[in-house]
Amino acid sequence: AQKVTQAQTEISVVEKEDVTLDCVYETRDTTYYLFWYKQPPSGELVFLIRRNSFDEQNEISGRYSWNFQKSTSSFNFTITASQVVDSAVYFCALSEDNTDKLIFGTGTRLQVFP
Amino acid sequence: DTGVSQDPRHKITKRGQNVTFRCDPISEHNRLYWYRQTLGQGPEFLTYFQNEAQLEKSRLLSDRFSAERPKGSFSTLEIQRTEQGDSAMYLCASSLFDSADIQYFGAGTRLSVL
Repeated sequence: AQKVTQAQTEISVVEKEDVTLDCVYETRDTTYYLFWYKQPPSGELVFLIRRNSFDEQNEISGRYSWNFQKSTSSFNFTITASQVVDSAVYFCALSEDNTDKLIFGTGTRLQVFP
Repeated sequence: DTGVSQDPRHKITKRGQNVTFRCDPISEHNRLYWYRQTLGQGPEFLTYFQNEAQLEKSRLLSDRFSAERPKGSFSTLEIQRTEQGDSAMYLCASSLFDSADIQYFGAGTRLSVL
């Protein structure tokens, strides 16, 4: 069965600190896709990144970076030098090749204080 | 290019009433998805369409729920005889083709059943 676990319910940091959001997934498929979305207080889910199961290269986009490790079934997200605008709920999600829905984790609420 | 649009943004109704929500996907997107999100949880899949065909429905979608996408463009989600447990955020997303594609979300319709 597919499952996404985000064990960190809430994280609080002070501006400029680095923070890592954990995501562990379960799937029996060999072809699958992993996503991160940001949900700010306005409520709209904003797409951040998509990774397919055959591409384990880490990715960096500005202050954001993602670490995909198939050996531990993890797809962690790091924000470097956090800013107040990063405050939001972040969701990790899984999509398998033979289904067409996203399976979301329960989310991690990040609060960045000035 | 406009994003996914949902209407209304908020709906307050009394138990037992029927409600209908509308979703306008990104133009040229063939796939349209409905999710439900309750407080403190990640979005849960309800159903999705490929053009006008409804291809999958979750067990969460009871007989009181019905979704349509009559011309393969906008979609409606109707809840009949609403119950307090139906109170949630109803999210719509669209994507180009399949599970590999990025799903873009609307701002959602928040339903409160009194």
